[in-house]
Amino acid sequence: GAVVSQHPSWVICKSGTSVKIECRSLDFQATTMFWYRQFPKQSLMLMATSNEGSKATYEQGVEKDKFLINHASLTLSTLTVTSAHPEDSSFYICSARDAVGSDYEQYFGPGTRLTVT
Amino acid sequence: GENVEQHPSTLSVQEGDSAVIKCTYSDSASNYFPWYKQELGKGPQLIIDIRSNVGEKKDQRIAVTLNKTAKHFSLHITETQPEDSAVYFCAALVRSYIPTFGRGTSLIVHP
Repeated sequence: GAVVSQHPSWVICKSGTSVKIECRSLDFQATTMFWYRQFPKQSLMLMATSNEGSKATYEQGVEKDKFLINHASLTLSTLTVTSAHPEDSSFYICSARDAVGSDYEQYFGPGTRLTVT
Repeated sequence: GENVEQHPSTLSVQEGDSAVIKCTYSDSASNYFPWYKQELGKGPQLIIDIRSNVGEKKDQRIAVTLNKTAKHFSLHITETQPEDSAVYFCAALVRSYIPTFGRGTSLIVHP
């Protein structure tokens, strides 16, 4: 149980285009999902917290107009990188909390490798 | 806010040896301490966690100890195997709050 999927697993896009990453909780409902960014050999950096049906809460320094987050259902959150640039290339990971489970545990997706050329 | 320090950044051991990774935290209100294993190109996977009302927890070859007075917790892996090679992250959080992660430890187990 508690499986989180991400799609796509990797994507290459041209500079200036937008790319959407999906995060799904497959066997549970997630009222809260998190989006992280990870650079090589570094820790996870929280970008934003999204709650179903409400606007995402962005961490300081994260541009909300560039990283659009939508959490329209209890099983799906999306991250759209708008007008991507090479510096947006990174490993993006989502995680989700079970709506009826522990307030502590979060389940991570497998990550999406974004490369902007 | 919470600050989590993790050491060492790299740990190299021979197969069969034990490995210990240590973390300290700053917020005395933190009461949940998970450990994650991240293999190359994959997302983190929870391997063990401990809550503040427990001093030690064990799951086969993996154990976690917590010292709330000193505000530190450790991951112990016994009888290491090559497949244990990965990056390990500790984290600390207060209920429903956002976890704060350590910087990670790259564990290398040599056959």
